[in-house]
Amino acid sequence: ETGVTQSPTHLIKTRGQQVTLRCSSQSGHNTVSWYQQALGQGPQFIFQYYREEENGRGNFPPRFSGLQFPNYSSELNVNALELDDSALYLCASSYEVGNEKLFFGSGTQLSVL
Amino acid sequence: AQTVTQSQPEMSVQEAETVTLSCTYDTSESDYYLFWYKQPPSRQMILVIRQEAYKQQNATENRFSVNFQKAAKSFSLKISDSQLGDAAMYFCAYRSATWGGSQGNLIFGKGTKLSVKP
Repeated sequence: ETGVTQSPTHLIKTRGQQVTLRCSSQSGHNTVSWYQQALGQGPQFIFQYYREEENGRGNFPPRFSGLQFPNYSSELNVNALELDDSALYLCASSYEVGNEKLFFGSGTQLSVL
Repeated sequence: AQTVTQSQPEMSVQEAETVTLSCTYDTSESDYYLFWYKQPPSRQMILVIRQEAYKQQNATENRFSVNFQKAAKSFSLKISDSQLGDAAMYFCAYRSATWGGSQGNLIFGKGTKLSVKP
C-alpha cells in the first residue's frame, strides 16, 4: 500500500459534462502529480502541484485544472468532457518536488459516453 | 523532447525462468533518471527499480536487475526466478533531473505485458 487513495474508482459521464476526481496523499507529501492513462498506453503527465501552486504542466488544454489543499488532498477537474477523455486517471505524490520516489494511487477509471 | 520506446507489447516466461524486457529512450540531456514500474490488475503503479544516469553501476533489487547502456540509450529489465506474482504490465519511464514547467515529470513507454506460465 502506498497510502495514496483516489475516489471514485469508476465514473461514467456524458460528453459536455464536468467531472471532479479526488486524491488523498500521505501526510507530509507536499507534491502531487496527475497522469492520464488511455487504454493500451503509458501514463501521460497532466500537471503537478507543489504547496498548492501549479508548477508544471504537460500538453493538456486549460479545461483540465486542479487544486491542492493544505490537508494533502487534491482534485483534478475536467470541464466540457470529450469522448477522448475516457481513461484511467492516476495521481502520484512525493515528499518534495524533485524527489523521484513517487507514490501512486490506484486511479479513477473515467468513461465518457 | 524525450521519448521512451518499449518494442515488446507482450512477453511470456515460464515460472522460475529468466526474462528480459527491453526499453530504449531518446534524450539530449546528460543527467536523468530511469525507472521500471509494474502495474498489476489493481492498476496501482509500483516502482520496481531505479537507475541514476550518472551512475555506471547497474541497479539491482533482489530478483530484478537492469542493463543500463547510456551511450546506446538502452535500459533493459531482467527478472530472474520469475514468479506468478510478477505477471503484470511493465512500464519503462524517464525523468529529467531538471524541474520546472513540463520538466521533471515521468515520461512513460507504452508498456510490456508480462505473462508467467506455471
